[in-house]
Amino acid sequence: KQEVTQIPAALSVPEGENLVLNCSFTDSAIYNLQWFRQDPGKGLTSLLLIQSSQREQTSGRLNASLDKSSGRSTLYIAASQPGDSATYLCAVYTGNQFYFGTGTSLTVIP
Amino acid sequence: GAGVSQSPSNKVTEKGKDVELRCDPISGHTALYWYRQSLGQGLEFLIYFQGNSAPDKSGLPSDRFSAERTGGSVSTLTIQRTQQEDSAVYLCASSLLRTGAATSYNEQFFGPGTRLTVL
Repeated sequence: KQEVTQIPAALSVPEGENLVLNCSFTDSAIYNLQWFRQDPGKGLTSLLLIQSSQREQTSGRLNASLDKSSGRSTLYIAASQPGDSATYLCAVYTGNQFYFGTGTSLTVIP
Repeated sequence: GAGVSQSPSNKVTEKGKDVELRCDPISGHTALYWYRQSLGQGLEFLIYFQGNSAPDKSGLPSDRFSAERTGGSVSTLTIQRTQQEDSAVYLCASSLLRTGAATSYNEQFFGPGTRLTVL
């Protein structure tokens, strides 16, 4: 069964710092990997989707990479802002289900 | 365009009562997913619909949980004889289920969730 792990579970950084969130998965037979953001009491907002044939995707200050063979993805956030504070989740799609990690709670301190 | 909507946004019920949670997916999305998120926990997969049929019901935690989808659109998750451990946020997501070479484009879009509290 696919297992998705996110490290660290929580991260606190000063405003302006660049940071990296990690996601690992145990079965490399995936179709895509999706990064989400969840604000307290809200649903999930899709940030980036990387297809299995791609190595990275970029949107604004966000850059996500995928190394399918090693079962890893990273989400890079440049020049962090207090508005980036949220929980970030990654999910892999196996063609049947989406498997989610438990998330990284990010706090950006002004 | 309209996103995924869920109702009610909050539901407080007494132990033993039945509840119905509703999900309206994005128009045209053929796949619909229900998840449960308990406090401090990750997302727990419950059930997946492709059209009106549910090829994967493996995540339903007990026979008190059931779901249906009609007309390939709206879905209802029903919890009978609610227990306190059912308290959680129930999230619904939909995707335009692409197959074949386009499978890797399948992207989920989430609703805001229903917060269920069982007293």
